Amino acid sequence: KQEVTQIPAALSVPEGENLVLNCSFTDSAIYNLQWFRQDPGKGLTSLLLIQSSQREQTSGRLNASLDKSSGRSTLYIAASQPGDSATYLCAADFGNEKLTFGTGTRLTIIP
Amino acid sequence: DGGITQSPKYLFRKEGQNVTLSCEQNLNHDAMYWYRQDPGQGLRLIYYSQIVNDFQKGDIAEGYSVSREKKESFPLTVTSAQKNPTAFYLCASSIDRGKTGNQPQHFGDGTRLSIL
Repeated sequence: KQEVTQIPAALSVPEGENLVLNCSFTDSAIYNLQWFRQDPGKGLTSLLLIQSSQREQTSGRLNASLDKSSGRSTLYIAASQPGDSATYLCAADFGNEKLTFGTGTRLTIIP
Repeated sequence: DGGITQSPKYLFRKEGQNVTLSCEQNLNHDAMYWYRQDPGQGLRLIYYSQIVNDFQKGDIAEGYSVSREKKESFPLTVTSAQKNPTAFYLCASSIDRGKTGNQPQHFGDGTRLSIL
């Protein structure tokens, strides 16, 4: 069964620190992996999409990596800010254009 | 502005009643999706459609129905057969991968459904 896991479920970090969010998946035959941000009571906002042929993608203070052989992806956030507080979800496309989601990591940046 | 509009934002269902959630997009996307989100769980796929007049069941389709008569619209009906409908429902859309390669899914702001 194709599954996506995110640990920990919640994380608190002082403002200004760099941090890493983790995502693991069970099938290395991944087509792409996407990272999303969700604010309370809202929909998802796409942050980064990494194709299977890529190792990383960057957007501003965000950097996402993909290691298919180990079944892992990370989202690195540099110089964290209170506005980064949200739930971050990763989702894998295993080749059928459907996304399998992790349960998310709820991030709190402490001012 | 282009985007996905879900309505209503909040919806209440009485026992035995069918309710319909609206999802409209003006992004000219081919594929549309419906997800259900429960507290502490990830999104689970209910139904998806990759082309007009065609749709497929996702992982949790029982108790739900959809139609795709227009490219812009993908309404979801929660039927009385769905015994635990209380959840946050999210609609998404994306471009056909065959046209432009991998593109992210775009999401609406969701509809929160509760039982009266």
